[in-house]
Amino acid sequence: QKEVEQNSGPLSVPEGAIASLNCTYSDRGSQSFFWYRQYSGKSPELIMFIYSNGDKEDGRFTAQLNKASQYVSLLIRDSQPSDSATYLCAVYNNNDMRFGAGTRLTVKP
Amino acid sequence: DAGVIQSPRHEVTEMGQEVTLRCKPISGHDYLFWYRQTMMRGLELLIYFNNNVPIDDSGMPEDRFSAKMPNASFSTLKIQPSEPRDSAVYFCASSLTAFDQPQHFGDGTRLSIL
Repeated sequence: QKEVEQNSGPLSVPEGAIASLNCTYSDRGSQSFFWYRQYSGKSPELIMFIYSNGDKEDGRFTAQLNKASQYVSLLIRDSQPSDSATYLCAVYNNNDMRFGAGTRLTVKP
Repeated sequence: DAGVIQSPRHEVTEMGQEVTLRCKPISGHDYLFWYRQTMMRGLELLIYFNNNVPIDDSGMPEDRFSAKMPNASFSTLKIQPSEPRDSAVYFCASSLTAFDQPQHFGDGTRLSIL
């Protein structure tokens, strides 16, 4: 069974802090990795995607991938209350996309 | 450009009835995906199409579920007969040229089977 694991949270951080979200996966052949943000009652919205080992930055968001250790993380710098949502990690390999259960993030003013 | 459009937004029906969910992908996107999301199981891929052709339906839970894509701008997911355990939010998503490209999700259909 190909698993994608996330800490369900809730993860609570103060406004302005760095939020760190982690995801581990079991399928060593996984090729592509995605982070989606989902507000309560809304649809998932793509935040970041990463294909290669290392870091990828986009504004306040940084995705980090370590294939050897089979984890991918999302850092949110200068966290804002509007970042409060559930963050879903998705892992792709060979025409199969698996989602983690999501981590609920709360940013407190 | 319009995003992925799903209808209806909400559906409440009685057990045993046929349910049809509809999706219009983003124009020009070659891939279309149907997902189901529940609290217990999270987000699950049910089936996906490439250029209107169903590629993998291994995620479809039972024969009661079927999906079609008669043309590039329309897809349906049908449940017949429906059961209370089918209650979930069903999302349609599309991506441009490949499965592992970023997917754009519709607003979803919240389905309740009584």
